[in-house]
Amino acid sequence: DAKTTQPTSMDCAEGRAANLPCNHSTISGNEYVYWYRQIHSQGPQYIIHGLKNNETNEMASLIITEDRKSSTLILPHATLRDTAVYYCIAHGSSNTGKLIFGQGTTLQVKP
Amino acid sequence: GAVVSQHPSWVICKSGTSVKIECRSLDFQATTMFWYRQFPKQSLMLMATSNEGSKATYEQGVEKDKFLINHASLTLSTLTVTSAHPEDSSFYICSAPWFAGKINEQFFGPGTRLTVL
Repeated sequence: DAKTTQPTSMDCAEGRAANLPCNHSTISGNEYVYWYRQIHSQGPQYIIHGLKNNETNEMASLIITEDRKSSTLILPHATLRDTAVYYCIAHGSSNTGKLIFGQGTTLQVKP
Repeated sequence: GAVVSQHPSWVICKSGTSVKIECRSLDFQATTMFWYRQFPKQSLMLMATSNEGSKATYEQGVEKDKFLINHASLTLSTLTVTSAHPEDSSFYICSAPWFAGKINEQFFGPGTRLTVL
């Protein structure tokens, strides 16, 4: 899996959009971008994934640049419950399924 | 979505004893499961891949004789920490992948916090 780089931490005001960037400049053509988050003392939770096109689900939106070297996870209206560590992972479809986690971004949503 | 459970959610044991942690996929079958370990303020570290019907595959640096993995059925994998020591105190998390074509999504258990006294 390609290496990803994320900021260590970010703050966001409650109710505002949280935009979490991720760099994956060496991503290969068959690797998807996955986002997971981990709330304190819980197991990680899947958020969203994408290959080339932008994606949206009930939790978030994923914007992938045209060259696929970076992406942004958007939480449109952050709440206090969105405070967590967010992990961006580039993962190949042919992989066995094991995920290698980087350090992630600690998002602190403040009232 | 699919659910993965872990038991126990926390355990305290004495140094030198063995502890077994169970990971179950509740509503889907998982021929493969993964075990992670997480120390405070650190990221998840993959320990091993549990394979139903065959031996587990361990990541580099993980002692297979200390962390025994048994994938007894398509819904159950167990991790046994043998002769536990205080440095084994950690948060242990399992996951099971769900494959749909080229996409795989991992479902994670809630984790087991192990404290070795």
